[in-house]
Amino acid sequence: AQSVTQPDIHITVSEGASLELRCNYSYGATPYLFWYVQSPGQGLQLLLKYFSGDTLVQGIKGFEAEFKRSQSSFNLRKPSVHWSDAAEYFCAVGFMEYGNKLVFGAGTILRVKS
Amino acid sequence: GAGVSQSPSNKVTEKGKDVELRCDPISGHTALYWYRQSLGQGLEFLIYFQGNSAPDKSGLPSDRFSAERTGGSVSTLTIQRTQQEDSAVYLCASRRTGDGGEQYFGPGTRLTVT
Repeated sequence: AQSVTQPDIHITVSEGASLELRCNYSYGATPYLFWYVQSPGQGLQLLLKYFSGDTLVQGIKGFEAEFKRSQSSFNLRKPSVHWSDAAEYFCAVGFMEYGNKLVFGAGTILRVKS
Repeated sequence: GAGVSQSPSNKVTEKGKDVELRCDPISGHTALYWYRQSLGQGLEFLIYFQGNSAPDKSGLPSDRFSAERTGGSVSTLTIQRTQQEDSAVYLCASRRTGDGGEQYFGPGTRLTVT
């Protein structure tokens, strides 16, 4: 069965520090890969996506993610975190043969220390 | 342009009552999805529509849950005889056919069953 693992439930970083949020998936082929962000009381906003091609993808708000097929990973990174980045981050995979429905990881809550 | 809209934004209902949640997708988006976000279960897929048909209903948790879509546009998720465990945020998303897997999410409906 398809699954998505975000091993870190909570992460705290200092403002200005770098960030990496981990995501691993289980699937027999290359799925579509996404990172979404959710601020308290808000809906899900797409940060970036990977469908094919260059394995390093750039997103909004200075985020990037790298797809590593050998590790079944799609980790999210940001070189310098801002206080406004505090939110919950969800990794998701979409499966084309299942109508592109998304399977989400459990989410990582990011806290930013000033 | 207009995004995905959902109504109501909040719904409080008594156990045993029926509720209807509405989703207006982005105009021209043929695919529509319902997800549920709850504390214990995270983000879960419920049902997928392509046009007015639902080829994947595998995520509906019980026969108390049903959904329909009319005119290839508006969708309604109905929960009959609500239970306290139905309390969650219900999210709707839409996707344009041929647009890879990217889904655009609405703000959600927060359902509280008392």
